[in-house]
Amino acid sequence: AQSVTQLDSHVSVSEGTPVLLRCNYSSSYSPSLFWYVQHPNKGLQLLLKYTSAATLVKGINGFEAEFKKSETSFHLTKPSAHMSDAAEYFCVVSDNSNYQLIWGAGTKLIIKP
Amino acid sequence: EAGVTQFPSHSVIEKGQTVTLRCDPISGHDNLYWYRRVMGKEIKFLLHFVKESKQDESGMPNNRFLAERTGGTYSTLKVQPAELEDSGVYFCASSPGLAIEQYFGPGTRLTVT
Repeated sequence: AQSVTQLDSHVSVSEGTPVLLRCNYSSSYSPSLFWYVQHPNKGLQLLLKYTSAATLVKGINGFEAEFKKSETSFHLTKPSAHMSDAAEYFCVVSDNSNYQLIWGAGTKLIIKP
Repeated sequence: EAGVTQFPSHSVIEKGQTVTLRCDPISGHDNLYWYRRVMGKEIKFLLHFVKESKQDESGMPNNRFLAERTGGTYSTLKVQPAELEDSGVYFCASSPGLAIEQYFGPGTRLTVT
């Protein structure tokens, strides 16, 4: 069975400093992995996706994630946080046999001025 | 192009009442998914339509939940009778063909009192 673990429920960083949101996954075969973001009172938006091409994936708003098979990780990073990045971030793995999305518990990113 | 829309955005009902949630997918998307996030828990898959057919309903919690997709266009999710534990945010998503990227609506927040 596939699963996703987001290691931090909350991450707080100062504006202009790097962001690291951690995600580990468990999958019996080569997974497809995603990061989604939900801003307050908004819907879920796809940030980026990994589908067995390049292991370093670039997404929107300056975010990127690196797929590391040996560590079963897919951490999300951004070099410099902006106030508008404050949101909840979800790491997601896709079951490629039935297209169900399996979600992590979410990490709330707090940006301090 | 219009995105996935959901109606209503919020619904407050009493235990034992019936509620119907509606999702309009992106035009031309054959695949439609329902997910739910109960307070404090992960987002969970409920079911998947391909056109008007239920492809996978393994995530439906019990027979109080009924989903339909008339004519392969919009979908409804009816909860009858509603229980307190049904409170949460219900998300709808759609995707074209067999693509695994899913586009989400803003969600319906259901509160059962």
